[in-house]
Amino acid sequence: GAGVSQTPSNKVTEKGKYVELRCDPISGHTALYWYRQSLGQGPEFLIYFQGTGAADDSGLPNDRFFAVRPEGSVSTLKIQRTERGDSAVYLCASSLKPATPSGANVLTFGAGSRLTVL
Amino acid sequence: DQQVKQNSPSLSVQEGRISILNCDYTNSMFDYFLWYKKYPAEGPTFLISISSIKDKNEDGRFTVFLNKSAKHLSLHIVPSQPGDSAVYFCAATNTGNQFYFGTGTSLTVIP
Repeated sequence: GAGVSQTPSNKVTEKGKYVELRCDPISGHTALYWYRQSLGQGPEFLIYFQGTGAADDSGLPNDRFFAVRPEGSVSTLKIQRTERGDSAVYLCASSLKPATPSGANVLTFGAGSRLTVL
Repeated sequence: DQQVKQNSPSLSVQEGRISILNCDYTNSMFDYFLWYKKYPAEGPTFLISISSIKDKNEDGRFTVFLNKSAKHLSLHIVPSQPGDSAVYFCAATNTGNQFYFGTGTSLTVIP
């Protein structure tokens, strides 16, 4: 597609429920990132995929959070037993180049999925 | 532990004048820095970047300056336009995997 597409754009759920957030990256982009942005904060790294594998998942806050990218394109962020503190905008980004030590790796972000846990 | 800091949450500038947005970082291993611009209800969009081997990069009205010894970078917008009003995020990386973002500076350009 022309840009990074995220669905749903808004999700309201109750505490304890399960949530899935979807990201459709730019076609051909091998690298995919999930970030979380809480109110008044900058984007916070969650997980990075290179192809189908999670190359770095050190930002996932706990084991309630999980992400997959089974075919190296679309990714799903899964949150179990949601808590009120999970409320945030979840941003997905993709990039053409794989990670390199010298950067030159521009992330293209989607519009985000706003999650509200009541 | 905030490795990238933007200490000014907001900035107001008159149209036509210079806007200067500042960013400080703590990790001396960072070797690539980026500025992103964000409008409400949209994702951040890439604006300009700089590698640690340079101290300046210019793109039209936007210039980024890097001072490695002070671990400081700044974004200059000249001349500022009302359409520049947005939240600006500074980001840094040393691996290309994790990008560390600041908390953002909300710029308002007054017509």
